[in-house]
Amino acid sequence: QVTLRESGPALVKPTQTLTLTCTFSGFSLTTSGMCVSWIRQPPGKALEWLARIDWDDDEYYSTSLRTRLTISKDTSKNQVVLTMTSMDPVDTATYYCARDRGTSMGLDYWGQGTLVTVSS
Amino acid sequence: SYVLTQPPSVSVAPGKTASITCGGNDIGTKSVHWYQQKPGQAPLLVIYYDSDRPSGIPERFSGSNSENTATLTISRVEAGDEADYYCQLWDSGSDLSWVFGGGTKLTVL
Repeated sequence: QVTLRESGPALVKPTQTLTLTCTFSGFSLTTSGMCVSWIRQPPGKALEWLARIDWDDDEYYSTSLRTRLTISKDTSKNQVVLTMTSMDPVDTATYYCARDRGTSMGLDYWGQGTLVTVSS
Repeated sequence: SYVLTQPPSVSVAPGKTASITCGGNDIGTKSVHWYQQKPGQAPLLVIYYDSDRPSGIPERFSGSNSENTATLTISRVEAGDEADYYCQLWDSGSDLSWVFGGGTKLTVL
């Protein structure tokens, strides 16, 4: 079955860089049409999409956060890594990764999410 | 960038039908997906490609999409349907990005 799990620090200081890892199983990012997206959700607020990486190495980023985000994949480890620079308290949120089946199919499997707090 | 507009809240009595709308410019020309999120849980895909249901999602959940409004309809609402619901689509314009609506809190009276 398909599973995804996010891992990374629970607490980061302002100005630091956040690195999150999504480890997945049950599918391969070498398969045509497979993608992984990152999404975040500040406490009590709506979902916000951050970035996506595709099986063919295409990358897509939120327009508002593009300059701070980098997404990459390690297909041998079934992992996708998201880095976000210049962290600020407003970046405090639960960060999710999800299997992304593209325009017509959406995000069909999600990790349980990891809460990241930005505080000094 | 593309904007999706949802009502903040919808209330419905058990056994009745709930309709949650998602407004966007010419949204009927795009594929819309819907997610259910219960407190403390990750979102769950309940409708994709406007009206298709993933395996395991009850037939009570249905979707439609036309012109400037997509709609998630939940028939015979149960207490367990109380959740936040989000619509989503891929903005294939200049931004090339996923866009989420602001979410709708469904309250079962």
